[in-house]
Amino acid sequence: EPEVTQTPSHQVTQMGQEVILRCVPISNHLYFYWYRQILGQKVEFLVSFYNNEISEKSEIFDDQFSVERPDGSNFTLKIRSTKLEDSAMYFCASTVAGAPTGELFFGEGSRLTVL
Amino acid sequence: TQLLEQSPQFLSIQEGENLTVYCNSSSVFSSLQWYRQEPGEGPVLLVTVVTGGEVKKLKRLTFQFGDARKDSSLHITAAQPGDTGLYLCSGTYKYIFGTGTRLKVLA
Repeated sequence: EPEVTQTPSHQVTQMGQEVILRCVPISNHLYFYWYRQILGQKVEFLVSFYNNEISEKSEIFDDQFSVERPDGSNFTLKIRSTKLEDSAMYFCASTVAGAPTGELFFGEGSRLTVL
Repeated sequence: TQLLEQSPQFLSIQEGENLTVYCNSSSVFSSLQWYRQEPGEGPVLLVTVVTGGEVKKLKRLTFQFGDARKDSSLHITAAQPGDTGLYLCSGTYKYIFGTGTRLKVLA
């Protein structure tokens, strides 16, 4: 069964370092998303991406964040200069049909720990 | 901004009990989804409701979409430990999730 895959599963980094989280969405999906979940808290929307551009972004998604689909298969989230409060689980999701009824398929997440 | 408030925030019950969790908003949704997230995994879709007043059943889970399409409820009958997880609703316009209900079912 097709699935969304994310790498790395866990990354530990020093504050101020750049981090790139990678996602391979399901191959025929057209809409891509990044979410963040701080331990024990809610799933927070970061950004949605369609047709090679950002379609929506939240207040969390500031200038430190960027997304890219460099080669037609990978979908990456870059954090330029990590802060302690960026420590969280980051989930990538994709869907073949966007809102309102498309089913989001999530990866298993990348845990980011900023020291 | 669509705000989805879920209640209760936490729920710990014994196996076999029934429970209801709620998802409320001041916005009207064309449809609403419920997801469940188990520890260490990403959320998984349980159901999509699209019509005001609609009731959908998934085994022991019953989902209802409010008549005004601003709220929804999830009722679980005879809860089992396997139902443990974080239950999230999403107003699908922007795929923004509610605050979540963290359910723990004790054996």
